[in-house]
Parts: sequence; C-alpha cells; structure tokens
Amino acid sequence: DAKTTQPPSMDCAEGRAANLPCNHSTISGNEYVYWYRQIHSQGPQYIIHGLKNNETNEMASLIITEDRKSSTLILPHATLRDTAVYYCIVFDNNDMRFGAGTRLTVKP
Amino acid sequence: GAVVSQHPSRVICKSGTSVKIECRSLDFQATTMFWYRQFPKQSLMLMATSNEGSKATYEQGVEKDKFLINHASLTLSTLTVTSAHPEDSSFYICSARAYSGNPRANYGYTFGSGTRLTVV
Repeated sequence: DAKTTQPPSMDCAEGRAANLPCNHSTISGNEYVYWYRQIHSQGPQYIIHGLKNNETNEMASLIITEDRKSSTLILPHATLRDTAVYYCIVFDNNDMRFGAGTRLTVKP
Repeated sequence: GAVVSQHPSRVICKSGTSVKIECRSLDFQATTMFWYRQFPKQSLMLMATSNEGSKATYEQGVEKDKFLINHASLTLSTLTVTSAHPEDSSFYICSARAYSGNPRANYGYTFGSGTRLTVV
C-alpha cells in the first residue's frame, strides 16, 4: 500500500508555478520523500528527494513541513513539457511502491 | 548519472508464445532490480524483486511460473512472460538502485524506459 495521498489531477498555466501537494502522515524517521514523474509511455523520471530540509535542484523545489507529514513539489515555471503524472513516494531502503499520483496538465 | 537500459521498447507476440525483456544497468552494478507492470491509466504495480544470484521475490498474486525472472549478473535482469495471453498485454518497467554512501546523492531508483507488450 502506498503511504502517500495526492490529488488525482491539477491544472497549471504555462509559465506559472505548479505546486503539487502530498500527504504522508505515517512517514517514519528513516524514510525519505521522493518525487518522480512519468510522461506518457515512458519510465518514471527522478525529480528530487529530501529527508526533512527543503531541497532545490535544476528541476524543482521540495518543501517538507516541519512535522514531515506533508510536502509540496514546486515547478517554478511550468512548461507544456511538464505535463505528466507526478508521484510522491516515501521509502528508506526497501522496494519503491507507487500510489496513484497527480496528473498535472500544463495549459497554454 | 545512473542509466538503466530496457529492451525491447515494444513487442507484439502471438498468444501462447514467450517473450523475454532485458533490463541492464549501464554504468553501475545492481544487486537488486525491480519489475513493475502498468495497465492503461493506472499506476505502476510492483511485480517482483530480482536478486543477483538468487531467486526472485514475487508480490502476492503474481505467478512466478508465468513471469520468470533471471538475474544472472550484477548488470542484467531478464523477465520472461511465458505462454503469454492477451490479458498479459501491459507496460513492463524495470528499475535498479545506484547506491551512494552519501544519502543526499541517493537518487532512489533509476527506471528503464519500459516495454510495451501486446499479445494478439
């Protein structure tokens, strides 16, 4: 069973920031929060991960609440190519299991 | 970065035949690889964990005699769908983990590009 809850779908205007929420209220101390995305008919692509501090890379920013029970993935300037299903996953060192994810549609 | 190569990307086979899918870690060694199946408009479902030099571990409900997994080397795992039927048509994806001693450099799992299997 997935340990995360995400909204099934979201829309975002091109050029605007996309903020994708994820609830992981049962996360344990050793578990990281990972974000992947899957563009149609491709394998999932790694975006970013974090433990408790906020993280930023060239693709996105990850904001984790202080209690670690939720997080938000931020795509600062969404493009049409960011249209995909985004998966939030928590795990430590075991197999990686996917929830339903959020289908983000970036619109012109 | 870590790259996982999966072949073929697309295969069509006749019902009753077997199909082999290969998953290779190109620039790292993977003692463990994972196989997923994804049906249209659904999420990825973990099928099995492939362990180098030992038997695979299958998820509940996955037939081990139908989905044969071989992990003969540290860079190659294969999934063979035996006696394929139309209901086996799906998108199959493998993954592996390139582990670094630095947790901040752990990119979780790297996924192959997937194999679209169509059984006719």
